[in-house]
Amino acid sequence: DQQVKQNSPSLSVQEGRISILNCDYTNSMFDYFLWYKKYPAEGPTFLISISSIKDKNEDGRFTVFLNKSAKHLSLHIVPSQPGDSAVYFCAARDNNAGNMLTFGGGTRLMVKP
Amino acid sequence: DTAVSQTPKYLVTQMGNDKSIKCEQNLGHDTMYWYKQDSKKFLKIMFSYNNKELIINETVPNRFSPKSPDKAHLNLHINSLELGDSAVYFCASSQGIRAYEQYFGPGTRLTVT
Repeated sequence: DQQVKQNSPSLSVQEGRISILNCDYTNSMFDYFLWYKKYPAEGPTFLISISSIKDKNEDGRFTVFLNKSAKHLSLHIVPSQPGDSAVYFCAARDNNAGNMLTFGGGTRLMVKP
Repeated sequence: DTAVSQTPKYLVTQMGNDKSIKCEQNLGHDTMYWYKQDSKKFLKIMFSYNNKELIINETVPNRFSPKSPDKAHLNLHINSLELGDSAVYFCASSQGIRAYEQYFGPGTRLTVT
């Protein structure tokens, strides 16, 4: 029973354009949502987070949007750069389960020069 | 000056053996975690631990046990290894009120033959 889902296994974008990565969840107890970036043979790297009481958080080229009613969040990367090519994981924290995170299956982003 | 480190990076062993993976963090964090990334690339929490509390994901077999000699270390012991234990294991750490933002080690690829 996947509580966090990333339905697109891969996404290809041209350099300079916008990348939009999507994530859906089912657990209403999630209070924080996070995006992680992962390169091959490395651990995930924290990118950006958003509280469930907000609908947008921005950090440089990265913006996360949260639609609680739809149980949906997205990560926008503008402009996309070749170095952004990686696997992106969406994650969520259940306030009743300590700080353990539930991860989606990941989306592989390829930014073409 | 690696923030979260793991040893070994690769571990190949036979079924039935007992093995350990070490994790150290130099971030001064108070909570550490172990995650398993299976062959389908899903990242799943196994344990969350600080000096007060161990939270175990109920799906983790009791052959797996975390051991913390001090606040900066959380080792993973696995008894009677099985083929299905083959995966990449990630250690992570976090701190305080932003404990949902976790910092990951580079991973240990375990192969059981």
